[in-house]
Amino acid sequence: QVQLLQSGAEVKKAGASVKVSCHVSGNTLTELSILWVRQAPGKGLEWVGHVEAENGEAIYAQKFQGRVTMTEDTSTDTAYMELSSLRSEDTAIYYCATRTAYNAFDLWGQGTMVTVSS
Amino acid sequence: SFDLTQPPSVSVSPGQTARITCSSDALSRQYTYWFQQKPGQAPVLVIYKDTERPSGIPERFSGSSSGTTVTLTISGVQAEDEADYYCQSADNSATYVFGTGTKVTVL
Repeated sequence: QVQLLQSGAEVKKAGASVKVSCHVSGNTLTELSILWVRQAPGKGLEWVGHVEAENGEAIYAQKFQGRVTMTEDTSTDTAYMELSSLRSEDTAIYYCATRTAYNAFDLWGQGTMVTVSS
Repeated sequence: SFDLTQPPSVSVSPGQTARITCSSDALSRQYTYWFQQKPGQAPVLVIYKDTERPSGIPERFSGSSSGTTVTLTISGVQAEDEADYYCQSADNSATYVFGTGTKVTVL
């Protein structure tokens, strides 16, 4: 049974960077596409980007181009999402998700709260 | 990129039917997925590829598609169905988009 376990909450200063991890158990990361989504307090879901399992290519939402980097460590089956030049508007819960069936993102991590203070 | 438009809220009495729409010209060419999110929880997939229901999702959840509008229908709404619902789709360049979200209130 595949599970996604994300790293703990982070508090960062404006201008800093944050790196959120998503550990895969029950399967190998190379078999899975990883989606990253965020949700600001009281707001809707927002696609940040994803990494396709087929070719390892990272595709980022245009809004985050130049500030986000998604990487994977296949030796530990851990995916990472790093966001730089943080601003208060980046305060949100960041989720990772993957496809285990149905060719749809049906498995989600528990979320990581990132708070950016000025 | 494109936008997916949903009504902000839908209110329904227990046992009645709730219908949530999601509209975009792009939906005539791409599949739509629906997620349910309860407060403090991660989203849960309730419909995939417009009309398919994952294992474990109650039969009262169904999806339909007509041109540029897709609809999530909850038949015989129960109190536990009170949640936010989001549609999601993608374009040919693998850009993903989530709808604006609909809050379902069970009266």
